[in-house]
Amino acid sequence: NAGVTQTPKFQVLKTGQSMTLQCAQDMNHEYMSWYRQDPGMGLRLIHYSVGAGITDQGEVPNGYNVSRSTTEDFPLRLLSAAPSQTSVYFCASSRRSSGANVLTFGAGSRLTVL
Amino acid sequence: GQQVMQIPQYQHVQEGEDFTTYCNSSTTLSNIQWYKQRPGGHPVFLIQLVKSGEVKKQKRLTFQFGEAKKNSSLHITATQTTDVGTYFCAGRGTSYGKLTFGQGTILTVHP
Repeated sequence: NAGVTQTPKFQVLKTGQSMTLQCAQDMNHEYMSWYRQDPGMGLRLIHYSVGAGITDQGEVPNGYNVSRSTTEDFPLRLLSAAPSQTSVYFCASSRRSSGANVLTFGAGSRLTVL
Repeated sequence: GQQVMQIPQYQHVQEGEDFTTYCNSSTTLSNIQWYKQRPGGHPVFLIQLVKSGEVKKQKRLTFQFGEAKKNSSLHITATQTTDVGTYFCAGRGTSYGKLTFGQGTILTVHP
C-alpha cells in the first residue's frame, strides 16, 4: 500500500516554463488536495477535489490548474512558472465518507523557479 | 474567509522542558486537527478534536479544544529530542473540503 505518491521530488524550472506535478493515491480516497508550504506561511490550499470530475479552488489558486479524471490521480499544472511559485508542494487525500476526514500527505515536491 | 493563527512561530527548549503551541480561529470550527512534520518530511496526522472543551492525551502530548470551539492548544510535557519538528493545527469550518492550516510552530529541542 503506497499511500500518496508524488512525482517529481525535486524540479528546477525557468520562468515561463510549464510543468505538471503528479499525485496518485491507492487508498480509494474521494477527496484530494494540493497545498504549498512556504516559510512562515504554513500550508495553503491551492485546489481540491471531492471526487472524479469535481474540482474547486482553495486559498491560492492563481497560476495553477487541476483536473480529476480518475479517483486515483490529481495532477497540478503550472502553465507559466513564476519565481513566486518556488515552494514545497504537498498532495493530500482523505476518505470523504469518514467523519474524521484525516489527511494523508505525500512526501512533497520541491520546486524552484529561476 | 476563515483564518487560523498559530503561535509561537518558533520555540527553542532544553530537553525535559515543557512546550505549548496555541491555535486561534477567526470563526467557530466544526473540528480541529493537529499534524506533526519532522524536518525534511511531510505532515503526519496526530489527533482530531470535535467537542467543545474536549481534552485528549497521547502519552506526553495533551490536546485541548476551547469551549467556544475557536481555539486549541497542544502541550508537550518533558520534551525529548524526538519531538523536534513543526506542529500544525488545522481547522475545519462548516463546509466540507476547507481545512485551514495555521502557520505552524517550529520546535527545537536542545539535548
